[in-house]
Amino acid sequence: GAGVSQSPSNKVTEKGKDVELRCDPISGHTALYWYRQSLGQGLEFLIYFQGNSAPDKSGLPSDRFSAERTGGSVSTLTIQRTQQEDSAVYLCASSLSGSPRGYTFGSGTRLTVV
Amino acid sequence: DQQVKQNSPSLSVQEGRISILNCDYTNSMFDYFLWYKKYPAEGPTFLISISSIKDKNEDGRFTVFLNKSAKHLSLHIVPSQPGDSAVYFCAASDTDKLIFGTGTRLQVFP
Repeated sequence: GAGVSQSPSNKVTEKGKDVELRCDPISGHTALYWYRQSLGQGLEFLIYFQGNSAPDKSGLPSDRFSAERTGGSVSTLTIQRTQQEDSAVYLCASSLSGSPRGYTFGSGTRLTVV
Repeated sequence: DQQVKQNSPSLSVQEGRISILNCDYTNSMFDYFLWYKKYPAEGPTFLISISSIKDKNEDGRFTVFLNKSAKHLSLHIVPSQPGDSAVYFCAASDTDKLIFGTGTRLQVFP
């Protein structure tokens, strides 16, 4: 596609429910990144994919968070048993070669846990 | 701990004047720095970057300065325009990802 596409754009969920957030990167981009922006915070790194493998998962805040990428394309970030502190904007970015110097971001998914 | 810091959460500047946004980092191994701009409900977009082998990079109204000894970089916007009102994030390139600061909200008023 022309840009990085994320869905849904907004998600309201009840505490304790599971949610799935989707990212469709730019076609041909091998690297994919997930970040989140909590209220008043910067962009917090979550996980990085190169192809289908995730060489850096260091930013996942707990084992309730997981992500996968299939076919070197679409990625899904899953949050299990959501908590109120998970409320944030979740941003996905992709880059052509894995160099972190050429990110293109999607518009994000605003997650609200009530 | 925060490896990239933007200590000013907000900045207000009159149209036509210079906007100066600051960023500090702690890791001397960072070799590439970027500035991103973010409007509400949109993803961040790349603005300008600088390699650690340079101390200045200019692109139109935007100039980034890098002071490696002080581990400090700054973004200058001149002249500032109302359309520049946004949140600006500074980022440093780690081996496999970007590390972002907390952002500075710039408001340019007429």
